[in-house]
Amino acid sequence: QVQLVESGGGVVQPGRSLRLSCAASGFSLSRYGMHWVRQAPGKGLEWVAVIQYDGGSKFYADSVKGRFTISRDNSRNTLFLQMNSLRAEDTAVYYCAKDHGSGWTYIDYWGQGTLVTVSS
Amino acid sequence: DIQMTQSPSSLSASVGDRVTITCRASQSISDYLNWYQQKPGKAPRLLIYTTSSLQSGAPSRFSGSGAGTDFTLTISSLQPEDFATYYCQHSYSAPLTFGQGTRLDIK
Repeated sequence: QVQLVESGGGVVQPGRSLRLSCAASGFSLSRYGMHWVRQAPGKGLEWVAVIQYDGGSKFYADSVKGRFTISRDNSRNTLFLQMNSLRAEDTAVYYCAKDHGSGWTYIDYWGQGTLVTVSS
Repeated sequence: DIQMTQSPSSLSASVGDRVTITCRASQSISDYLNWYQQKPGKAPRLLIYTTSSLQSGAPSRFSGSGAGTDFTLTISSLQPEDFATYYCQHSYSAPLTFGQGTRLDIK
């Protein structure tokens, strides 16, 4: 069955960097687009970024553009989110999510999330 | 960027009630509209994709309709396990924005 397991979350100071990973299993990662979605404490879902099946296209929310980078290593079945210049408002649970198609159609599977706290 | 607006933001209802949640896009998104359910402390779950297609495993009491800019999620007869927060999301073009959510709780 499809499994997505995020890691790399934790407490980080404002202005610092953090890299999240998402280990995928139960499906062929190289065939599907992948997303990161976040949820600040007590708030709604915010879409963060998407990457096409082969890494050829990437898109970002305006709130993270220029600071966050989504990438993937299909040979290692792993998705990444490099987060630089972190701000307090980036504090959230970050979900890794699988798209139904090779780019973006709809999210059909979600990981359990990893908490990122940006605080001094 | 396309903005998604859900209404109402919260809703109280009873088991057995018929409930409708609305999602409006700031521009036409054809039928590229999806609905997710989220319970406290859990990851979201896909219910409806492409406006009206029921995801495998989702109960048949959930249905979706609409086109263009106006969409609805309907629960035909509320069950205790349906009390949760519901989000719409468009997949017309990046960024793929979510609505702000509709919290459905027990009256």
